[in-house]
Amino acid sequence: QQQVKQSPQSLIVQKGGISIINCAYENTAFDYFPWYQQFPGKGPALLIAIRPDVSEKKEGRFTISFNKSAKQFSLHIMDSQPGDSATYFCAASPWGGGADGLTFGKGTHLIIQP
Amino acid sequence: NAGVMQNPRHLVRRRGQEARLRCSPMKGHSHVYWYRQLPEEGLKFMVYLQKENIIDESGMPKERFSAEFPKEGPSILRIQQVVRGDSAAYFCASSPRLGAEDQETQYFGPGTRLLVL
Repeated sequence: QQQVKQSPQSLIVQKGGISIINCAYENTAFDYFPWYQQFPGKGPALLIAIRPDVSEKKEGRFTISFNKSAKQFSLHIMDSQPGDSATYFCAASPWGGGADGLTFGKGTHLIIQP
Repeated sequence: NAGVMQNPRHLVRRRGQEARLRCSPMKGHSHVYWYRQLPEEGLKFMVYLQKENIIDESGMPKERFSAEFPKEGPSILRIQQVVRGDSAAYFCASSPRLGAEDQETQYFGPGTRLLVL
C-alpha cells in the first residue's frame, strides 16, 4: 500500500482557535479519505470522510478540504475545545465498488490549551 | 446496536507462546479488517476477510500470523511463536455489506494490547 504523509506530528492550539492537520497521498487510485479521532486506550472513531467529487465537506466544527490536483487533503477544527485533544489520523483507500484496507497517516497529537 | 467487540483487551505472552485475538463485528456487518498499531505510529493494514474467505492479506507477515472469519463465531487473529516485536495494539474493524449506505465506513473496536515478555 502506498504511503499517506501526515503533518504536523504534534500541534498545540489555544481554546477557540483553529486546528489544521494536513495529509498528502501518492496513489491516484485512492478515492475515499476518512479522518479518525483516537483517545488514549481507545480504538479510532470515524470523524468525517470525503470523496474526491467534492472539494469540501463540513460537519459541525469539522471541515475537510480536498485538493485533487495536488493530492492533498486537510482537516480543520473550528473553535477548538479541550475535549478535542486527541490523536487524529488521516487515511485513504481505493474505491472499486468494494471495501478495502485503509492506508493511515502516522497521526497528529493535538492538544487544546484552555 | 453494540459496536465492534474485541477480546481480550490486554494479553501478555512469553516469547514462543501463541496469541489468539478475537473480534466480533457489528451486527449485520460481513466485512472484517485487522490492523496493527505500534507506539507513536499509525495503523497498518494486515488483512481483510469476509465470512469464510480471506479477501486481502497483503499486510500480513508471511510467517506465524494467520486470520480467519468462520461462518459462525468471531474472527480470530492468531500469532504463533510470538516475539517481542509482536508487542503492539491490534485493532479490528468491520464494515457493512456492499450496497449499504455506509458500505465504505470501517468501525473500529477498542483493540487488544499484546505484550510479549
